[in-house]
Amino acid sequence: AQKVTQAQTEISVVEKEDVTLDCVYETRDTTYYLFWYKQPPSGELVFLIRRNSFDEQNEISGRYSWNFQKSTSSFNFTITASQVVDSAVYFCALSEETSGSRLTFGEGTQLTVNP
Amino acid sequence: KAGVTQTPRYLIKTRGQQVTLSCSPISGHRSVSWYQQTPGQGLQFLFEYFSETQRNKGNFPGRFSGRQFSNSRSEMNVSTLELGDSALYLCASRTGGSYEQYFGPGTRLTVT
Repeated sequence: AQKVTQAQTEISVVEKEDVTLDCVYETRDTTYYLFWYKQPPSGELVFLIRRNSFDEQNEISGRYSWNFQKSTSSFNFTITASQVVDSAVYFCALSEETSGSRLTFGEGTQLTVNP
Repeated sequence: KAGVTQTPRYLIKTRGQQVTLSCSPISGHRSVSWYQQTPGQGLQFLFEYFSETQRNKGNFPGRFSGRQFSNSRSEMNVSTLELGDSALYLCASRTGGSYEQYFGPGTRLTVT
């Protein structure tokens, strides 16, 4: 069965600090997709990034970067030079090719960026 | 393009009643999925519809049902409401060939 674990329940940083959110996943499929979503207080889940299981290249997109390592089943997400507007709950999610678009979410990490 | 829209945004119902929530996907998106979010259980998948057919279903009782119309709009229905059904219900849409799902603002249901 698929499972996503976000061990960090809450993180608090000061503006301009870098922050890394951890995500560990479990799956039996060889083809799967990993996602990060952001949920601000308004409640809407905002899509941030997606990574395919067959592409371990790590990338940077603006202030966001991610580190995907199949060997440790981890998909960590880093925000560089955090800003107050980054304060939100961040969810890591997994979708297996055999499960269609069904997303399995982690518990979420509440990030608070203080001025 | 307009995003995913959900109506109503807030709803208060009494235990035992039924409720219908509506979701309009992004134009061109044919897949609609529904999720329930509660403080205790987190985000859980309810079901997915594609071209008016249910393609996948989560582990929820039969009181939870849905449907999709020819214009890809979707509705979900919960019958015989229980207090534990109080949650934020999120709808997401995607194109047929992509795995990114885009979420609506949700409907917050309170059962009293």
